[in-house]
Amino acid sequence: EDQVTQSPEALRLQEGESSSLNCSYTVSGLRGLFWYRQDPGKGPEFLFTLYSAGEEKEKERLKATLTKKESFLHITAPKPEDSATYLCAVRVGGGADGLTFGKGTHLIIQP
Amino acid sequence: GAVVSQHPSWVICKSGTSVKIECRSLDFQATTMFWYRQFPKQSLMLMATSNEGSKATYEQGVEKDKFLINHASLTLSTLTVTSAHPEDSSFYICSARTQSVSPLHFGNGTRLTVT
Repeated sequence: EDQVTQSPEALRLQEGESSSLNCSYTVSGLRGLFWYRQDPGKGPEFLFTLYSAGEEKEKERLKATLTKKESFLHITAPKPEDSATYLCAVRVGGGADGLTFGKGTHLIIQP
Repeated sequence: GAVVSQHPSWVICKSGTSVKIECRSLDFQATTMFWYRQFPKQSLMLMATSNEGSKATYEQGVEKDKFLINHASLTLSTLTVTSAHPEDSSFYICSARTQSVSPLHFGNGTRLTVT
């Protein structure tokens, strides 16, 4: 069974304190790993897609990396506006089309 | 680009009534739309996949007669929750994409409360 596990469940950082969020996956036929940001009461906002081990993507204070077993979302010098739930999702082969999501990491950045 | 609009953003209905939720892709044609459900502090769970002009494919455990999906055009899909009950109360989110390799873009969700 395809699984996506995110850790930690929640993370509280001081403004400027860098850290990393983890997404480990056990899937067959990975066709993409996706990171989304979700604010309370809103739909997920697309951040990154990673397709192969060793790939990296960056956007402002965020950088996503991918290995064969996990992905990391690195947050450098975060600001309070980075507070949100960060979701990891995978798309697998074999005819499955939708995304399988992890439960997310609830990130709070304190000023 | 890639904006998905969902309406309504919240709805309260009485037990036994039906509720329709609309999902529109505003600036692109969505070959495939997906409907997800999210309970508090839980991950998004895929309910069904719909392709324009064909019947929706439902995930295991999702009742197709209860959650009616219509994908009438390349820019509109609707989800109707029929004979809603309190346990159907949840956050329903639609998503769409243009082709198989593109990421999913999500609407802002609909908070359904059944009293």
